[in-house]
Amino acid sequence: EVQLVESGGGLVQPGGSLRLSCVASGFTLSAYWMSWVRQAPGKGLEWVASIKQDRSEKYYVDSVKGRFTISRDNAKNSLYLQMNSLTVEDTAVYYCARPIISSWYGADYWGQGTLVTVSS
Amino acid sequence: SYELTQPPSVSVSPGQTARITCSGDALPKQYAYWYQQKPGQAPVLVIYRDNERPSGIPERFSGSRSGTIVTLSITGVQAEDEADYYCQSADNSATGVVFGGGTKLTVL
Repeated sequence: EVQLVESGGGLVQPGGSLRLSCVASGFTLSAYWMSWVRQAPGKGLEWVASIKQDRSEKYYVDSVKGRFTISRDNAKNSLYLQMNSLTVEDTAVYYCARPIISSWYGADYWGQGTLVTVSS
Repeated sequence: SYELTQPPSVSVSPGQTARITCSGDALPKQYAYWYQQKPGQAPVLVIYRDNERPSGIPERFSGSRSGTIVTLSITGVQAEDEADYYCQSADNSATGVVFGGGTKLTVL
């Protein structure tokens, strides 16, 4: 059974940093692109970043470029999102998502999400 | 920046057909995906690559594309289909991904 379990969310002050983790099981992580998607309270879905299987390609939404870094460790079945210079606009539930095998963004499996709250 | 446009809301009676549209300039070049999201839950993929249905998704869900518009159709809507629906696609350069703003489907 495919499972994605996020962790690392919490309350952080504006300007602070946080590192999210996603542990994957039930499939071979190295065979898939992986993505982070977020959803602010009461708002819609927003794609945040995606990373290729071998880490050779990484893409980000404009609003996080230069602040967030997506990474992965296939040997540890893990995906990460390093978030720096956080602002209140980054407050959201962050989902780890696995795109279908032939795509880099259409996700057929999602984690349960981890809540990041940026507030003073 | 690239945008996908969806109607904020659609309402239908049980048994009728619901159609939710999503428009975007890059849709003729990039595949569209559709998600269903119920309150407090993670999204569920209901259509991939414009018109393919994942295993486990009821046959009443279908997708189509005509030019710059993709459409999610739900035939014979049931009360359990009441949810938010989002389309997703990539931009023309295939270096960015965007979701539509979401459509709240209400089953009257």
